[in-house]
Amino acid sequence: DAVMTQSPLSLPVTLGQPASISCRSSQSLVSSDGNTYLNWIQQRPGQSPRRLIYTVSNRDSGVPDRFSGSGSGTDFTLKISRVEAEDVGVYYCMQNTHWPWTFGQGTNVEI
Amino acid sequence: EVQLVESGGDLVQPGGSLRLSCTASGFSFSTYWMTWVRQAPEKGLEWVATIKNDGTDKYYVDSVRGRFTVSRDNAKSSLYLQMNSLRAEDTALYYCLCTTRRSSFDRWGQGALVTVSP
Repeated sequence: DAVMTQSPLSLPVTLGQPASISCRSSQSLVSSDGNTYLNWIQQRPGQSPRRLIYTVSNRDSGVPDRFSGSGSGTDFTLKISRVEAEDVGVYYCMQNTHWPWTFGQGTNVEI
Repeated sequence: EVQLVESGGDLVQPGGSLRLSCTASGFSFSTYWMTWVRQAPEKGLEWVATIKNDGTDKYYVDSVRGRFTVSRDNAKSSLYLQMNSLRAEDTALYYCLCTTRRSSFDRWGQGALVTVSP
């Protein structure tokens, strides 16, 4: 299984300042079709999760452009350029290149 | 509006069975693969199962294979999860979701709570 390891697990942030979360996979996430199926999922307190980023760096519809994803192979990063209050919550990386799909442990972003 | 609504969550004894349902609306259900993800209390997300759009292929996490069965009825735009031989560690909020790997379409339901306890 592809083990996903996030760091940090807790991230105190300051409004208006940047923030960054790292995600490392135990194996390459490059698929046989050449794509890398690494996603970032946001879960706000008391809400269902929602995807922010797919295939490493593509933002989902309605996701603010302060969110960006980067990386390749086994190392990936989610960046928030300027944190806003609504960004508080838990962020997960998730791979769906290999079965079983696997999630990172989650990073708790708090003001 | 795209909606996924889960139902069927309940309190069940260890060894018991339960069937979750997820009713979809607002999109072409039969076109998409569908997935169940669960979240134990105060824990992270865990993928449970995925079913191909036509129901011919199904994938499971090892911890539920042989006990859980995912199915769908495209005529009813509905997804199901039949859960047998339930264990305490199956206690979780179960989310139904439709997510695509290469396009911007990703929707989650509100979750159905399954509690396995004597």
